[in-house]
Amino acid sequence: QLHLQESGPGLVKPWETLSLTCSVSGDSIIGIRSYWGWFRQAPGKGLEYIASFRHDRTTFYNPSLKSRVSMSLDTSKNQFSLKLSSVTAADTAIYYCARSPGADVPNWFDPWGQGALVTVSS
Amino acid sequence: EIVLTQSPATLSLSPGERATLSCGASQSVNINYLAWYQQKPGLAPRLLIYDAIRRATGIPDRFSGSGSGTDFTLTISRLEPEDVAVYYCQQYRSSPATFGGGTKVEIK
Repeated sequence: QLHLQESGPGLVKPWETLSLTCSVSGDSIIGIRSYWGWFRQAPGKGLEYIASFRHDRTTFYNPSLKSRVSMSLDTSKNQFSLKLSSVTAADTAIYYCARSPGADVPNWFDPWGQGALVTVSS
Repeated sequence: EIVLTQSPATLSLSPGERATLSCGASQSVNINYLAWYQQKPGLAPRLLIYDAIRRATGIPDRFSGSGSGTDFTLTISRLEPEDVAVYYCQQYRSSPATFGGGTKVEIK
């Protein structure tokens, strides 16, 4: 059964870079029919798509965040990562990773990780 | 980007009643490029419906999806106390994927 788990610092200072890792078990992150995505949810708010990518580095971004987002994967650890630069308090949120079974483009996302709360504060 | 508008914002019903949740798109998402998720308090979203009408694995048959183009509906045929949650629609017709603002379902 596919399982995803986010990890990373819970507190980041303003204007620094937020870094999160998603550990995947039950499937290979270089699977042909998989996109791997990041989402976030500010306190009391709805879901926001950040970006998703697949093994050949094909990436789809939310344009509002694209200039600050980078993603990478570590095939030896079956993990993928998110970096969000120059964070402000508006980036405080629960960050989720998830998988999409889309072959050519991402579609729906299932399953999701449990989420990691990141607070931006000095 | 495609904007999704969900209504109502809050739905308060008694157990056993039928819940009808709506999701409207600012432009067509084709026949079926739409998913529904359930998010219970303190938990991650869970996929309920994909391709507008297909139930995800393990989802009870009291949940059903319908619609096409710009108007979609999630129906809970007989509401149960465990269905208390916020429900979100998501389109994957075009990038970026976007979500509706959510409908909160409460039990009277």
